[in-house]
Amino acid sequence: AQTVTQSQPEMSVQEAETVTLSCTYDTSENNYYLFWYKQPPSRQMILVIRQEAYKQQNATENRFSVNFQKAAKSFSLKISDSQLGDTAMYFCAFLQGGSEKLVFGKGTKLTVNP
Amino acid sequence: AAGVIQSPRHLIKEKRETATLKCYPIPRHDTVYWYQQGPGQDPQFLISFYEKMQSDKGSIPDRFSAQQFSDYHSELNMSSLELGDSALYFCASRGREVPEAFFGQGTRLTVV
Repeated sequence: AQTVTQSQPEMSVQEAETVTLSCTYDTSENNYYLFWYKQPPSRQMILVIRQEAYKQQNATENRFSVNFQKAAKSFSLKISDSQLGDTAMYFCAFLQGGSEKLVFGKGTKLTVNP
Repeated sequence: AAGVIQSPRHLIKEKRETATLKCYPIPRHDTVYWYQQGPGQDPQFLISFYEKMQSDKGSIPDRFSAQQFSDYHSELNMSSLELGDSALYFCASRGREVPEAFFGQGTRLTVV
């Protein structure tokens, strides 16, 4: 079974600085997708970014980018120019190709300080 | 843009009662997921449907059942409620050609 590990339960960063959240996963498959979801205090789950395993290029969405290391099974999220609104729980998630089951890590609570 | 709609947003039930949660996916999305998130926990996969058929099953108790209807909306039925069922229940939907799931705002169920 696939597992997703987020080793940082909590992190904090100063406004306007850069922070990197770590995620590792375990799978024996080659066809899969990785995601970062953000859950602010409102509890809404918001998709931040996705990465297809077959793509070597790291995904980027505005201030959010990933460092996808397929061999190392690592998928970290970098947030540049952190904003107060980035304060949230961040979940790394894995989807096996052809599967319907999205597997989440335990989450990292990020606090952006003014 | 249309999002996933869940109703009700909040629900309070007593132990041993029954609850029904509803989910209306994004138009043209044919896959629906249900997740349970306890306080301070990560979302736990319960069940999914693709084209109105159950496609995968997770840690869903036997007291719970779900289905997807012809209009693609889904309902999660929960019977013999227990205090431990108190949680945030998310529905998510996904389109056929994209891997990402989009989540509703959740239904907060409190069992007293």
